[in-house]
Amino acid sequence: QKEVEQDPGPLSVPEGAIVSLNCTYSNSAFQYFMWYRQYSRKGPELLMYTYSSGNKEDGRFTAQVDKSSKYISLFIRDSQPSDSATYLCAAMDSNYQLIWGAGTKLIIKP
Amino acid sequence: ETGVTQTPRHLVMGMTNKKSLKCEQHLGHNAMYWYKQSAKKPLELMFVYNFKEQTENNSVPSRFSPECPNSSHLFLHLHTLQPEDSALYLCASSQKRGGYEQYFGPGTRLTVT
Repeated sequence: QKEVEQDPGPLSVPEGAIVSLNCTYSNSAFQYFMWYRQYSRKGPELLMYTYSSGNKEDGRFTAQVDKSSKYISLFIRDSQPSDSATYLCAAMDSNYQLIWGAGTKLIIKP
Repeated sequence: ETGVTQTPRHLVMGMTNKKSLKCEQHLGHNAMYWYKQSAKKPLELMFVYNFKEQTENNSVPSRFSPECPNSSHLFLHLHTLQPEDSALYLCASSQKRGGYEQYFGPGTRLTVT
């Protein structure tokens, strides 16, 4: 069983829609959770991180962690074509290594 | 140059060749990483260096040989590779080992023929 599971997509939505991206994880000891964004022909870049359970908002982006169900979510409001990218979730293990999901390819149609 | 740079961006090599990938970070970070990214698979951590010392080797085959001469430079020496080694190889750095904010280079797209 993979420690962090993520649907690779692609997920295609119209411009302006609310996007929900999700991951599940198996290790209840994970405390830090990250979302990275990767544009085509670029390396991943950190978008948001959260510690333990709860929500964190940054502009149009909201990261949510539910430790009881081991569920990580990223919501994008008023989605734009420039949001089209692959979104990778990650969790930090007890060795301070990042455990990654496979990434979800998101396509925002104008 | 800013951020993390990687050269070459693309590499095609035969199974008997020897080549090297280069990574340089201009961020003053102390930790550097090599990752392998294959389509629809999670990033695989290969090696970690902290203050030039290798701290992790995640059961990587010996045909991959890392080198870190200083905190700003990281190399990945390749020899006798297999077709399944074809992937995007990403270099990253962070302020310290275990930092959740890692800065990635654009990667080297490697094709083994």
